[in-house]
Amino acid sequence: GDSVTQTEGLVTVTEGLPVKLNCTYQTTYLTIAFFWYVQYLNEAPQVLLKSSTDNKRTEHQGFHATLHKSSSSFHLQKSSAQLSDSALYYCALSDWTGGYKVVFGSGTRLLVSP
Amino acid sequence: GGIITQTPKFLIGQEGQKLTLKCQQNFNHDTMYWYRQDSGKGLRLIYYSITENDLQKGDLSEGYDASREKKSSFSLTVTSAQKNEMAVFLCASRTASAETLYFGSGTRLTVL
Repeated sequence: GDSVTQTEGLVTVTEGLPVKLNCTYQTTYLTIAFFWYVQYLNEAPQVLLKSSTDNKRTEHQGFHATLHKSSSSFHLQKSSAQLSDSALYYCALSDWTGGYKVVFGSGTRLLVSP
Repeated sequence: GGIITQTPKFLIGQEGQKLTLKCQQNFNHDTMYWYRQDSGKGLRLIYYSITENDLQKGDLSEGYDASREKKSSFSLTVTSAQKNEMAVFLCASRTASAETLYFGSGTRLTVL
């Protein structure tokens, strides 16, 4: 079956420095979409980025990610972390061609300190 | 725009009790989902429903039942609450053709 791996449970970074959250996946489907969801404290998860195009950079709210099918990765990056970026981040994949499952990684908590 | 409403926000039950969580959406989405959120384990799929009266089991369905009697609502029943089930339960929905999931704010379950 499909799986998503986020290796870091917690990432801490100083405000203004770059940050990278790792995401790799295994899937049996050829056509799929990838997401990063963000969950702020006491709020519902919401979509941050999505992509289904290989080697194309996707950007939103200062974050960017590039889907690399050759390495089965969809890492999330930001060049300058802000205090307001502190949240729980989930990488996920979706089979939208036939099935309806959305599979999530275990999540990475990002803590940005002053 | 739309909203997903989960009730109750907090649910306290006794071990062995049958408990029901409810979810309503006004997006007019076809597909609805129940996820369980445990710290360090991510979001794990319990049940999903492609359309009214359809039910599909996820990876964590044992110990749970679900019901989708209307397009706008999807309920989840914990058949016999256990202490290791304390978690946040998230409802989500999306259209059949689009990919983004929209989430409710969750129900936090505590089992005494």
